[in-house]
Amino acid sequence: EVQLVQSGEGLVQPGGSLRLSCGASGFTFSAYDMHWVRHIPGKGLEYVSQISTSGGETYYADSVKGRFTISRDNSKNTLYLQMDSLRTEDMGVYYCVRDNWGYDYWGQGILVTVSS
Amino acid sequence: VVMTQSPLSLPVTLGQSASISCRSSQGLIHRDGNTYLSWFQLRPGQSPRRLIYKVSNRGSGVPDRFSGSGSGTDFTLKISRVEAEDVGVYYCVQVIHWPRTFGQGTKVEIK
Repeated sequence: EVQLVQSGEGLVQPGGSLRLSCGASGFTFSAYDMHWVRHIPGKGLEYVSQISTSGGETYYADSVKGRFTISRDNSKNTLYLQMDSLRTEDMGVYYCVRDNWGYDYWGQGILVTVSS
Repeated sequence: VVMTQSPLSLPVTLGQSASISCRSSQGLIHRDGNTYLSWFQLRPGQSPRRLIYKVSNRGSGVPDRFSGSGSGTDFTLKISRVEAEDVGVYYCVQVIHWPRTFGQGTKVEIK
């Protein structure tokens, strides 16, 4: 059974940092590109970032470029999202998602709260 | 690529059908001949669930009450015989062009 289990939920102040993790099981993690997608209340679902199978290629939405860093450790079957310089507009639920020419499996979601 | 859904709110009577439209600002046909347009359901407290992929293919375990259709830039999700568990927000998403973009979401509720 494919599973994506996320961790790293937290409350941070504006300008702070948070690292999200996503542990994968039930499939060959290293064979799939992985994405982060967020749900912002009142705005809907939004693409955040993606990483290639080897980790050699990464892409970011303009809204997070230069502040967020996606990475993966295929030996640990784990995906990461390092979020720096967080803003109130980054507040929402973050999902790790497997890319299979479309998003087929999603993590349970992690709530990120940015507030002073 | 801008994805435009309509309506944004859809009150439905139990047992009746509902249709959601999704229009893309550019075509979504890949050179392999497939059109990569998916539909997702987001229910409160749950992760998004893929209902439809490649326009009309139902995801694993998705009831046949859900169907997708369309081509080019115009796509439709239809829910036949709406049940109470279908309440939620429905999104279309294109995965051909970078960055991937979602529609604004359509909130389905029971009248």
